[in-house]
Amino acid sequence: GENVEQHPSTLSVQEGDSAVIKCTYSDSASNYFPWYKQELGKRPQLIIDIRSNVGEKKDQRIAVTLNKTAKHFSLHITETQPEDSAVYFCAASLGGYQKVTFGIGTKLQVIP
Amino acid sequence: NAGVTQTPKFRILKIGQSMTLQCTQDMNHNYMYWYRQDPGMGLKLIYYSVGAGITDKGEVPNGYNVSRSTTEDFPLRLELAAPSQTSVYFCASSKLYSEIGNTIYFGEGSWLTVV
Repeated sequence: GENVEQHPSTLSVQEGDSAVIKCTYSDSASNYFPWYKQELGKRPQLIIDIRSNVGEKKDQRIAVTLNKTAKHFSLHITETQPEDSAVYFCAASLGGYQKVTFGIGTKLQVIP
Repeated sequence: NAGVTQTPKFRILKIGQSMTLQCTQDMNHNYMYWYRQDPGMGLKLIYYSVGAGITDKGEVPNGYNVSRSTTEDFPLRLELAAPSQTSVYFCASSKLYSEIGNTIYFGEGSWLTVV
């Protein structure tokens, strides 16, 4: 089955700096890569996703990149703010079957 | 729409007791899931269902059972609770099969402690 590795497990940045979280996946057939944000004590919620036919996608201060050849994908957050502090999960799935495999999560702390 | 609703939010169980976590969604989603989240361990899939009457095991199904008699409801049964089942449980749902992937919508979580 699919295996998703995510790093780092914790990340501290100063407010205004950028944060990068990286993931790798094992199943070359995976074609859908969502990112979820989970604030403390809350449910995970989708913040951005990318399909395998796209190399990069941006939404305001967040962007995702995908390298299918290397089976890597990354989340980039620019101009970080305290409200970005949360746990971020990457995931991979074969879109049709919806069996999504999550990474272990990255706890991001933005220091004011 | 209320989205995905799960109950109870908090529960303490004694070893060997049984209980059912209830989950319902009002988005007419065909796919439903149960995940558990242990501290620092990410989200592990327990069971999932692709439609009423159809269920399948995920990564960590031992000690749990599910049923899917309707599109809306997907209860998770814990039999003979063990301390290893202390965790946060999330029910989730997503739309029907899609070539390009669909958003998973999570419930608010159920904090379960087995003592």
